[in-house]
Amino acid sequence: DQQVKQNSPSLSVQEGRISILNCDYTNSMFDYFLWYKKYPAEGPTFLISISSIKDKNEDGRFTVFLNKSAKHLSLHIVPSQPGDSAVYFCAVPASKLTFGTGTRLQVTL
Amino acid sequence: GAVVSQHPSWVICKSGTSVKIECRSLDFQATTMFWYRQFPKQSLMLMATSNEGSKATYEQGVEKDKFLINHASLTLSTLTVTSAHPEDSSFYICSASVSQNYGYTFGSGTRLTVV
Repeated sequence: DQQVKQNSPSLSVQEGRISILNCDYTNSMFDYFLWYKKYPAEGPTFLISISSIKDKNEDGRFTVFLNKSAKHLSLHIVPSQPGDSAVYFCAVPASKLTFGTGTRLQVTL
Repeated sequence: GAVVSQHPSWVICKSGTSVKIECRSLDFQATTMFWYRQFPKQSLMLMATSNEGSKATYEQGVEKDKFLINHASLTLSTLTVTSAHPEDSSFYICSASVSQNYGYTFGSGTRLTVV
């Protein structure tokens, strides 16, 4: 049973445009959400987080939006850069850190 | 910031042999470390939670006799893949919780190939 889902396995965006990565979760009790970025053959690196008491958190080019009623969060990257090309995972630190299935973002020139 | 060092970054071994992967917290003490496994194009799956000075807690479906975890000190956890087989080939990643605010830091991962 996948508690955290990322329905888009891949996304291609042109440099300078906005990248939007989506994540859905099943448990309304989840109260904190994390986004990680992962390059091939490397461990994930923390990107940004959001608490359920907020609906938006912004850090530079990265903004995470949380829609609790829809049990949905999204990560916006604007403007997208070629170095953003990686796999992005949303994660929930429940009883254990549970990752979504990941979305591979490719930023093209 | 908190750094987790994982070694080796890649290893090739023969079927039937054992491989040890080390995970060290370099500038902090980690009472709890986590071991993940990632198959190609799939998510990171938690294998076990490693607790300093006590037995590891394994996730359902993970063979504890095959994946031996030792967490003998506050800065070192090891994962030993015993009697490795080709199906054990995967990317193994460790992590440690670094703060109460759900902070996790990850090692750089180990690519294991069993031939």
